[in-house]
Amino acid sequence: GESVGLHLPTLSVQEGDNSIINCAYSNSASDYFIWYKQESGKGPQFIIDIRSNMDKRQGQRVTVLLNKTVKHLSLQIAATQPGDSAVYFCADPSDTGNQFYFGTGTSLTVIP
Amino acid sequence: EPEVTQTPSHQVTQMGQEVILRCVPISNHLYFYWYRQILGQKVEFLVSFYNNEISEKSEIFDDQFSVERPDGSNFTLKIRSTKLEDSAMYFCASTETGRNNSPLHFGNGTRLTVT
Repeated sequence: GESVGLHLPTLSVQEGDNSIINCAYSNSASDYFIWYKQESGKGPQFIIDIRSNMDKRQGQRVTVLLNKTVKHLSLQIAATQPGDSAVYFCADPSDTGNQFYFGTGTSLTVIP
Repeated sequence: EPEVTQTPSHQVTQMGQEVILRCVPISNHLYFYWYRQILGQKVEFLVSFYNNEISEKSEIFDDQFSVERPDGSNFTLKIRSTKLEDSAMYFCASTETGRNNSPLHFGNGTRLTVT
């Protein structure tokens, strides 16, 4: 069954503030996680991924943190901009590796 | 940057009609997928495809659905007899190595409206 879910369906932040989007997973064997951004009318866009042998990975203005002890994943967006407004999904592969499970998504709204 | 392309962007069809949704995955990718997203809901897996055969399919992917890679570049999803509940965004995705090694890259989807 599905293994990922998100804590909050919506998040509003002021432009320039940092955003934190959370995700929980249930399969302790999950070893790879991906964050996607989906803007209205578009497909999910890859943001950043992390493997279970890492606790943290940084990209451009984004950081993903992985806490395997509590099976929790977060996406931090620094200095949030209006263009960051979108729905954010976490995903992880199934045990077979033949598909990815997606969470329900968090809708981020950036207030100018 | 290479991207997955899907056509058409919007397809309107009558219930019971056949539709074919088309995708051109990224050229060096070997694993192909179809997902769908009903408005406001999560992205749901339909089928994965590798080496010219289905790797895995979900319960949604019943015998009304089929996939094909008719040539070296296209990957299609056919729905034989559409139902109202098939109305959704259909996303094609591809990945280079599959299985826990690389992320899916998605197209911008085909919005299917069944009337």
